[in-house]
Amino acid sequence: DTAVSQTPKYLVTQMGNDKSIKCEQNLGHDTMYWYKQDSKKFLKIMFSYNNKELIINETVPNRFSPKSPDKAHLNLHINSLELGDSAVYFCASSQGGDQPQHFGDGTRLSIL
Amino acid sequence: GENVEQHPSTLSVQEGDSAVIKCTYSDSASNYFPWYKQELGKRPQLIIDIRSNVGEKKDQRIAVTLNKTAKHFSLHITETQPEDSAVYFCAASNDYKLSFGAGTTVTVRA
Repeated sequence: DTAVSQTPKYLVTQMGNDKSIKCEQNLGHDTMYWYKQDSKKFLKIMFSYNNKELIINETVPNRFSPKSPDKAHLNLHINSLELGDSAVYFCASSQGGDQPQHFGDGTRLSIL
Repeated sequence: GENVEQHPSTLSVQEGDSAVIKCTYSDSASNYFPWYKQELGKRPQLIIDIRSNVGEKKDQRIAVTLNKTAKHFSLHITETQPEDSAVYFCAASNDYKLSFGAGTTVTVRA
């Protein structure tokens, strides 16, 4: 069983559209994260939830809205997609702060 | 906020030789330092980590050292093999927030 699973794996869409990415973890972890990896491979934290509570909210355009319906799920909704949103988005989970983070396989978002 | 610098950005080594990657961090409150390996098109995978109360940790061919006073830590890979070719990221954590270095692309020449 995949520990951290994301859907979809690939997302190709037009500028201006709205899209969602879903993440689920079956590790029993309390904390989940969204990262963005740009074309230069730089990994940057976007959001983190601990027990459904938002604890990290980096400088991200408010077109990005995370939602955690329960501890095992974290979704990311993006409104009015722009060319600069093209990247790989990784979900991760951990048992808590300063604990190993386990990453999903990523969602490759391409904006046309 | 935390700023993690990683060097070199690329590293080419002969199979069997050692590879060393160095990182520095800025926030003295950081106390957890993981290293991730990312193969092309794959997810980052944790390969080793170290906490601030430990100076060195080893796992088979991989070792990490930490100097808290100087705020730098290093990854050492001995007896490199072709399957070690990947991008390696260092990171520093203060509580929940993990800040990554820019990555080192390691190529092991057969």
